[in-house]
Amino acid sequence: GENVEQHPSTLSVQEGDSAVIKCTYSDSASNYFPWYKQELGKRPQLIIDIRSNVGEKKDQRIAVTLNKTAKHFSLHITETQPEDSAVYFCAASRTGSSNTGKLIFGQGTTLQVKP
Amino acid sequence: NAGVTQTPKFRILKIGQSMTLQCTQDMNHNYMYWYRQDPGMGLKLIYYSVGAGITDKGEVPNGYNVSRSTTEDFPLRLELAAPSQTSVYFCATRTRTGGGNYGYTFGSGTRLTVV
Repeated sequence: GENVEQHPSTLSVQEGDSAVIKCTYSDSASNYFPWYKQELGKRPQLIIDIRSNVGEKKDQRIAVTLNKTAKHFSLHITETQPEDSAVYFCAASRTGSSNTGKLIFGQGTTLQVKP
Repeated sequence: NAGVTQTPKFRILKIGQSMTLQCTQDMNHNYMYWYRQDPGMGLKLIYYSVGAGITDKGEVPNGYNVSRSTTEDFPLRLELAAPSQTSVYFCATRTRTGGGNYGYTFGSGTRLTVV
């Protein structure tokens, strides 16, 4: 089955710096890769996602890149702010009418943005 | 439109007791999932369902059971609770959001402690 590895497990940056979180996946049939942000005591919230037919997607300060050949994808946060501090999870899934859409998650990255 | 509702929010169980975690959605989504979240381990899929009357095992199904008699409800049953089942449990649903993308809506979670 699918396995998703996420690094680093913790990341500390100064406010205004960039943060990069990387994930690798094992199932070459996975074609949907979302990123979730989870604040303390809250539910995971989708922040950005990408499909396998796209190499990069951007939404304001957040971007995701995908390298299908190497089977890895990354989350980039620019101009970090204290409110970006949270746990971030990557995930991978097979989508399509014949698939179950199960999300397999990485282990999570705790991001701390220091003011 | 309440989205995904989980009850209870908190529960303490004694070893060997049983309980049912409730999950109800009012979005008419066919796909539903149960995840558990342990510290530093990300979210692990317990069971999932692609429609009423259809369920299947995820990554960590041992010690749990599910049923899906209606589209709205997807309860998770713990029999003979063990300390290893101490965790935060999230229920989620999936729907297509257009452009080949998907949205996963998570419930607010149930924090379970087994003592």
